[in-house]
Amino acid sequence: QSALTQPASVSGSPGQSITISCTGTSSDVGGYNFVSWYQQHPDKAPKLMIYEVTNRPSGVSNRFSGSKSGNTASLTISGLQAEDEADYYCSSYRTSSTRVFGGGTKLTVL
Amino acid sequence: QVQLMESGGGLVEPGGSLRLSCAASGFTFSDYYMSWIRQAPGKGLEWISYISGSGSRIYYADSVRGRFTVSRDNAQNSLYLQMNSLRAEDTAVYYCARDLSYFDYWGQGTLVTVSS
Repeated sequence: QSALTQPASVSGSPGQSITISCTGTSSDVGGYNFVSWYQQHPDKAPKLMIYEVTNRPSGVSNRFSGSKSGNTASLTISGLQAEDEADYYCSSYRTSSTRVFGGGTKLTVL
Repeated sequence: QVQLMESGGGLVEPGGSLRLSCAASGFTFSDYYMSWIRQAPGKGLEWISYISGSGSRIYYADSVRGRFTVSRDNAQNSLYLQMNSLRAEDTAVYYCARDLSYFDYWGQGTLVTVSS
């Protein structure tokens, strides 16, 4: 059960926008609109940031947005802030009713 | 408010067993799928199992199938993970999470260390 593919790291300056990609297959990302994104600060539990590709839970800043094209989903963070520095993980529903995560991306705010 | 709290982690020798618990509150527990997700030290997240609200549907990742068993007690609002034949590579923080095909609430995690 291979993981979804994310870049290991991305960086940006305060105020800039960054995008994190998440590449899967037609059996997961490309086949279903059940892509979600999680933010994890050190020694903390992950926090849901985006669900069902584009939806933001209540309380999550509108600086966070999600999209999908084919087998690749993306998380965009606009107006980068220092507190956005964290690890980010994508996840998808996968054929055979299982779930799968990406390998994670470390975001550094310069 | 929704709360999930794991317990039962600790140090266990290779080949040993451990049972994790997850106490849920703030929602109708029996209405929701629940998942176990783990994170090895310095590594990413790995989904390992889910169970439907009634307990009738259960799935496991290949890495734990045949060794781990998920169960739930809806009367006690509790989720369990029985872990047998533990290996060094099972060392991780184990999280329970409410599963809507995405994970909207997570516990704080419990650390399992498999070492002699």
